[in-house]
Amino acid sequence: EAEVAQSPRYKITEKSQAVAFWCDPISGHATLYWYRQILGQGPELLVQFQDESVVDDSQLPKDRFSAERLKGVDSTLKIQPAELGDSAMYLCASSLELAGGVNEQFFGPGTRLTVL
Amino acid sequence: ELKVEQNPLFLSMQEGKNYTIYCNYSTTSDRLYWYRQDPGKSLESLFVLLSNGAVKQEGRLMASLDTKARLSTLHITAAVHDLSATYFCAVDNPSQGNLIFGKGTKLSVKP
Repeated sequence: EAEVAQSPRYKITEKSQAVAFWCDPISGHATLYWYRQILGQGPELLVQFQDESVVDDSQLPKDRFSAERLKGVDSTLKIQPAELGDSAMYLCASSLELAGGVNEQFFGPGTRLTVL
Repeated sequence: ELKVEQNPLFLSMQEGKNYTIYCNYSTTSDRLYWYRQDPGKSLESLFVLLSNGAVKQEGRLMASLDTKARLSTLHITAAVHDLSATYFCAVDNPSQGNLIFGKGTKLSVKP
């Protein structure tokens, strides 16, 4: 069964360091999302791609976060420099829009980031 | 502001009992999604509800959608320990393609 792949699964870093997360969506899924989930909360969108184009990055802290999906397939999310408040689970999801605009999203296993 | 509110946020149940989780939302979306998340794991899609009056069932879980009331329910029948997890409802953001999630309901089923 096709799955969304993410790496690393866990990352511990010190504040002010740079970190990068990778996501490979389900093959054929044009839309890719990066969400951040703080412990005890629901996921919140950081950035959304349609193929290689950014559709929505209004919630992405652009002074320190960047995201790219150069070839419209896999994607990288970077944080530089990391801050203590960035500790969270970073989830990647992909979707294939179905008839009627159904947008079922499939999530990867996530990257648990801890900033010390 | 787009809001999705779940209640309760925490639910402790005994095995064999029934209970309902409620999800209210503020958008005009006709579609609602339920996900399950186990501790430290990612989100697993449970149900996609596509229209007013939609009802879907899988095992001991049944989800329904009332778009006029902007309300979805997730009903648990004869709970078992394996259902212990956090359950999220989500709706489409009408201006973009992302989902807006509730805060989740943490369910604990005890013997």
